[in-house]
Parts: sequence; structure tokens; C-alpha cells
Amino acid sequence: DAGITQSPRHKVTETGTPVTLRCHQTENHRYMYWYRQDPGHGLRLIHYSYGVKDTDKGEVSDGYSVSRSKTEDFLLTLESATSSQTSVYFCAISETSEGGELFFGEGSRLTVL
Amino acid sequence: GENVEQHPSTLSVQEGDSAVIKCTYSDSASNYFPWYKQELGKRPQLIIDIRSNVGEKKDQRIAVTLNKTAKHFSLHITETQPEDSAVYFCAASPRANNLFFGTGTRLTVIP
Repeated sequence: DAGITQSPRHKVTETGTPVTLRCHQTENHRYMYWYRQDPGHGLRLIHYSYGVKDTDKGEVSDGYSVSRSKTEDFLLTLESATSSQTSVYFCAISETSEGGELFFGEGSRLTVL
Repeated sequence: GENVEQHPSTLSVQEGDSAVIKCTYSDSASNYFPWYKQELGKRPQLIIDIRSNVGEKKDQRIAVTLNKTAKHFSLHITETQPEDSAVYFCAASPRANNLFFGTGTRLTVIP
């Protein structure tokens, strides 16, 4: 498995609280992604990064922000968590921007009460 | 944006039989079509992919076909085994860094 770890793996929080999920890679891949996985929706892209300090929105970016201050770390922040953000969040990395394999982390299960 | 539809949502086959999962996409700009397998409680992993300039690709028991005119692509698994039981996701990429996934097919192979 590619060197990609997510933390925390499980988190329960309350509505309105801020939450930050961390993705750390040791592969030195340029591209990093945050997806959420929900039953009936598959995997949906939240945000992605194409380099340090370079990020862009995906299809479900509302309510989320990201930061990438180092090549190896990509943070996903929920400024004020809502119950609709209860989900499993997957980080992924890729060497290329087009037509390349995504290597996924183990996932972070977030429950917002 | 791209819309990827995947069918069926669940599929049960007897061990040794074939399984076929079908996907359609909406954006004619899509040119890369991977398939990911996700075992229960695990991360998704790429099993095969195809690019728009190729009509078919095979890797041992797994094959993928693409019909660009009709905007659909399919995953074929032959001689299914219990370890093939998982959720399979198709995806389509119309532009860099944007991969749109189908909703998944839960395949169960009955021994």
C-alpha cells in the first residue's frame, strides 16, 4: 500500500464544532484529494490540491476548506460541522493529474450529532 | 458536471459464473475510465482502467469495454471467486483532477 495515513480514523463531534482531518503521505506525490463516501452516492470529490498552497474545489465543496502547507500534508476542515457532513472521508494521492491511479487512505469516519 | 450512472446496485452470482457491471456517463469530454474495488471496511483500490482511445482491455479474469458513441463502459469478471465479493465503482474523468464515481455495485459471489 502507498504510504498514506489519515487521522483521526474515527471521530464523533457535535453540530457547530470545528473539525480537522489530516492526510499525510510519504510518496511525494504532487496531487492530493479529499473525497466523501455516502451510501447511494459513491465517492464525491470535496477539494483537491495540485501543489503546496494550490487547491481547488470539487463537486461538493460547500462547508469545507482545505490547506496544504507542505507536500506531505493535506488538511480538511469543517468550520462548523453539520449532521449532513456525517460521512466516511477518504484522502487520495496521485502522481498525475490525468488518467492516473488514485491511492486512497484508510478513511476517517466522522459522526456529527 | 459529469454524471455517472452504474447498474446494477447489487449483483449475486454463483462461483464460477461471470459478472457484468455497466456504467454510463454524460460528458463527452471524459477520456479516462477506471474501476475500483472496495472490500468491506477497506479502502478503494484500482483494479483496471481504460482510456478513450481503446475499446477493450483485459487483465486475467477482468476485462473492461468502452463504447464512446453510446457513452457507456462495462466491467466483466469471468470465473468469479468468493474473493471477488466487494463493492465495485466505475468512474469517469472529463478533465484533470476530476474523477466522478458511480454509486457502486455490491457483488456477492456465492460458493
